[in-house]
Amino acid sequence: GESVGLHLPTLSVQEGDNSIINCAYSNSASDYFIWYKQESGKGPQFIIDIRSNMDKRQGQRVTVLLNKTVKHLSLQIAATQPGDSAVYFCAENTWASNTGKLIFGQGTTLQVKP
Amino acid sequence: NAGVTQTPKFQVLKTGQSMTLQCAQDMNHNSMYWYRQDPGMGLRLIYYSASEGTTDKGEVPNGYNVSRLNKREFSLRLESAAPSQTSVYFCASRKRQNTGELFFGEGSRLTVL
Repeated sequence: GESVGLHLPTLSVQEGDNSIINCAYSNSASDYFIWYKQESGKGPQFIIDIRSNMDKRQGQRVTVLLNKTVKHLSLQIAATQPGDSAVYFCAENTWASNTGKLIFGQGTTLQVKP
Repeated sequence: NAGVTQTPKFQVLKTGQSMTLQCAQDMNHNSMYWYRQDPGMGLRLIYYSASEGTTDKGEVPNGYNVSRLNKREFSLRLESAAPSQTSVYFCASRKRQNTGELFFGEGSRLTVL
């Protein structure tokens, strides 16, 4: 069945270093992926998305990489800042199926050390 | 611009009581979603409405019902609350049904005693 999971529950990095958060998915039909950030007590906020016809997409300080061969997604955050401390979720749906069903992984907590 | 508004923000129920969580969006979005979030479980999809007039089950629909009242509003009802339904509930919406950013509300924290 469908599942979206994350490799590590917690990631601790030094301020200024780059962060890499990983995500594995099992549904080979998934063709649209999103990364969300959730700060304590708030709803998730959109970071970046990528479609399966792309391998890489860049935003402001963030890059998402998609490896369809091994069904792996990663979020890279450059020059990590204290404000980046949050829980990060990947999510996937199948664009082609037109169902709108968006499934989230369990989340990785990013801790930024000053 | 309010975005996605959920009410109530907090609620305590006794086992067996019923209640409805309300959600409204003012972005003219077609699709709306209800998720629950438990510690260590991430966000799990309860029900969603791809467009006005349609609703579909998600990953964990048992014990819940939904109503897409109109394009703006999507409510979640617990007919007979159970302690296992203690969670934080998030409503979300997006313009298209299968792509694009999902906008979330601030969440409703429900405790069932």
